[in-house]
Amino acid sequence: GAVVSQHPSRVICKSGTSVKIECRSLDFQATTMFWYRQFPKQSLMLMATSNEGSKATYEQGVEKDKFLINHASLTLSTLTVTSAHPEDSSFYICSARRQGLETQYFGPGTRLLVL
Amino acid sequence: AQTVTQSQPEMSVQEAETVTLSCTYDTSESDYYLFWYKQPPSRQMILVIRQEAYKQQNATENRFSVNFQKAAKSFSLKISDSQLGDAAMYFCAYRSASFGNEKLTFGTGTRLTIIP
Repeated sequence: GAVVSQHPSRVICKSGTSVKIECRSLDFQATTMFWYRQFPKQSLMLMATSNEGSKATYEQGVEKDKFLINHASLTLSTLTVTSAHPEDSSFYICSARRQGLETQYFGPGTRLLVL
Repeated sequence: AQTVTQSQPEMSVQEAETVTLSCTYDTSESDYYLFWYKQPPSRQMILVIRQEAYKQQNATENRFSVNFQKAAKSFSLKISDSQLGDAAMYFCAYRSASFGNEKLTFGTGTRLTIIP
């Protein structure tokens, strides 16, 4: 199978600080990674699509200066929530598309709580 | 834009019985992919089954099968011999086959409860 990891699994931070979340494809190369946000009892909302070596494509309404995405290698993408506020508290999930295949494999998610 | 609709917010089934979860979608494309993902309480999204739109044959994976009706834009999931471990949120998702348009569009989910 295709394994995707996320780190950290949960993080608590103070308002105004920045938080970095890592997404790694452990046993395959991922040319494309995706970042989602999920509010309680709701579906996944795509925030941005990240391609290795190029700028991320953000969905409408997502602030790219607030949610910085870097896809530096074929196995690692990072999401940095800058100047976090309590309304940024959510469950963030990444997924990776295996090179040459159409299926996305998901990480276990990161629970962010901003105090 | 594509939309995915899951009209059943909650479903329940007796253990060992069969249950069908509904999903409809709207698209003007002829080539695309459809998926069912499962999200248990751990919140890890797990791929259950996938279907290519150009294939007429319905996909099956062990106890899981789909009824893909392309003309009706319907993609239901049938779970046979339901087990306690099947309890989860189930999300239907659509993905275009167009190059460069890889994002998944999810439905709102169906919470499946298994009754022992």
